[in-house]
Amino acid sequence: NAGVTQTPKFQVLKTGQSMTLQCAQDMNHNSMYWYRQDPGMGLRLIYYSASEGTTDKGEVPNGYNVSRLNKREFSLRLESAAPSQTSVYFCASSEWWTGGVSYGYTFGSGTRLTVV
Amino acid sequence: QQPVQSPQAVILREGEDAVINCSSSKALYSVHWYRQKHGEAPVFLMILLKGGEQKGHEKISASFNEKKQQSSLYLTASQLSYSGTYFCGTGRLYSGAGSYQLTFGKGTKLSVIP
Repeated sequence: NAGVTQTPKFQVLKTGQSMTLQCAQDMNHNSMYWYRQDPGMGLRLIYYSASEGTTDKGEVPNGYNVSRLNKREFSLRLESAAPSQTSVYFCASSEWWTGGVSYGYTFGSGTRLTVV
Repeated sequence: QQPVQSPQAVILREGEDAVINCSSSKALYSVHWYRQKHGEAPVFLMILLKGGEQKGHEKISASFNEKKQQSSLYLTASQLSYSGTYFCGTGRLYSGAGSYQLTFGKGTKLSVIP
């Protein structure tokens, strides 16, 4: 099925460990995003990639890095995990806004990360 | 800045109506609405664009008041399947073409009971 695929679905890390969350989309979208979701906080933007070869910080980028590997793939890396990074992480993609038309986001199923 | 949603939670009986509001302190170009069921990803419901155009694929209606920088989602004759958390996402003003980033509200939890 077409869509956004995230791996892994669940992960437990110890404080200080590193890991990379993977995201791939097969809809040929230009833009990709990483959000985190915490109880009562809604979805907050970590990083985004407007198009292949570009990345920019969102609202809460501290402690994270990203790589837009190609048009399909956008990964999120935690270099030294902290308990405050315990969250559900969602990757999303969308087509560009063009000529007065904007498109909805397609979200992946999420990665549930616990840092102990 | 994060848009403000109200109410935070609402409980309905099947067949009742509900309105969820979303307001922003910044000028808006578009407002998106998403529904998230427990343990699942948010799913796109509809977009409202400046000028009143509405794009979506479910039988749920919405309005967009540009002057007040507000949007409202209307759920009529609610069904059990409407249960979930509803998020509005607001997009900034743009010209030309390009990427846009959504800022989401904290969500409204809707529970429909038999």
